[in-house]
Amino acid sequence: TAGITQAPTSQILAAGRSMTLRCTQDMRHNAMYWYRQDLGLGLRLIHYSNTAGTTGKGEVPDGYSVSRANTDDFPLTLASAVPSQTSVYFCASSEGFSPTDTQYFGPGTRLTVL
Amino acid sequence: GQQVMQIPQYQHVQEGEDFTTYCNSSTTLSNIQWYKQRPGGHPVFLIQLVKSGEVKKQKRLTFQFGEAKKNSSLHITATQTTDVGTYFCAGTANSGYALNFGKGTSLLVTP
Repeated sequence: TAGITQAPTSQILAAGRSMTLRCTQDMRHNAMYWYRQDLGLGLRLIHYSNTAGTTGKGEVPDGYSVSRANTDDFPLTLASAVPSQTSVYFCASSEGFSPTDTQYFGPGTRLTVL
Repeated sequence: GQQVMQIPQYQHVQEGEDFTTYCNSSTTLSNIQWYKQRPGGHPVFLIQLVKSGEVKKQKRLTFQFGEAKKNSSLHITATQTTDVGTYFCAGTANSGYALNFGKGTSLLVTP
């Protein structure tokens, strides 16, 4: 099985432009997450979805929006990118929305905003 | 809010030496998970601890959860070059729902 796929693998984006990072999982997991990873700051939660149709804000949600129209897809949108959003973005999923559920991570998207 | 602190940030060892990374929380945790991220890769789940004082082993890796459920450690015996990567702990407060990741410990092993 593919698990979690993310697209694109990498992207260079001009400041002020919008972009959607795609995330798809084929495990029928209920919960999905978006993290950003920056050197020295670890993984920080941007948004999450505990089930299709429901989303919530994480630690660093400003400048990002998400939607969860179905179980498999959880896109992350940057409406107007800024250089501070340069980062590696990881999508993850878990079977349930419980602290004890294992999270499975996608391969990541490396985004550079100039 | 709850914070999960990890030390050290970096560790460089010679192959065959032992390695330990520590994870500390300001609040009591309901559980703790450990993940490994190889250079250029994505985090991969290693193990979960939920009981006070719990100890689990995976080959050369030993994981401990403190008696007060506020700290945890990962110990690698006789490191190998395949152990290179960043090790993250992630915990959830008793009153919380989300995993809070530590900043990770990057391990470099030289032959």
